[in-house]
Amino acid sequence: GAVVSQHPSRVICKSGTSVKIECRSLDFQATTMFWYRQFPKQSLMLMATSNEGSKATYEQGVEKDKFLINHASLTLSTLTVASAHPEDSSFYICSAREASGGDSSDTQYFGPGTRLTVL
Amino acid sequence: AQKITQTQPGMFVQEKEAVTLDCTYDTSDPSYGLFWYKQPSSGEMIFLIYQGSYDQQNATEGRYSLNFQKARKSANLVISASQLGDSAMYFCAMRSLFEGNTPLVFGKGTRLSVIA
Repeated sequence: GAVVSQHPSRVICKSGTSVKIECRSLDFQATTMFWYRQFPKQSLMLMATSNEGSKATYEQGVEKDKFLINHASLTLSTLTVASAHPEDSSFYICSAREASGGDSSDTQYFGPGTRLTVL
Repeated sequence: AQKITQTQPGMFVQEKEAVTLDCTYDTSDPSYGLFWYKQPSSGEMIFLIYQGSYDQQNATEGRYSLNFQKARKSANLVISASQLGDSAMYFCAMRSLFEGNTPLVFGKGTRLSVIA
């Protein structure tokens, strides 16, 4: 099946550092990618929807100037956490949907996640 | 807007027994999809089963079956013959099929523990 990769899988950084997370669809083209955040023992919360070649759509309460999303190609979306602080520590998961879209169940794939720890 | 409710924060089941994880949903969309995902401690999201709102039959995938009751807006997951490896978080999710490229909306999850 299709594979979505994320890099890095784990990052520990100092407060004030900017962190970039990459999400790649390895064997399919993804016109749409979704970024989720998951705090410990909680559910996945949608942060933003990223469409190739256009600006991301952010969910209410998510600061677009802090969580910068770039979807430059059909296989790559990046999330940059600008000036990260300890409260940004979380598990970030991307999800990619195949360009064929449609209403089938098996066209959205999840990356393995990136665990961010800000000291 | 869609909403998923999972009322069981945690469940225990004896190995080899069946278990039902509850999920109710709310949506005004005429067409939608319902999903179940498993998340082990590693964090990866593993797709288990899908039910379309217009599917006449309940979905089944191996040991997983989805008890879909449209009038009650419920989509419970049934795991038969539980195995120790089934211990994980389970998330019910849905998305609109009425509009294009809508994201999955997740419930709060249920932590399943399988006891030997």
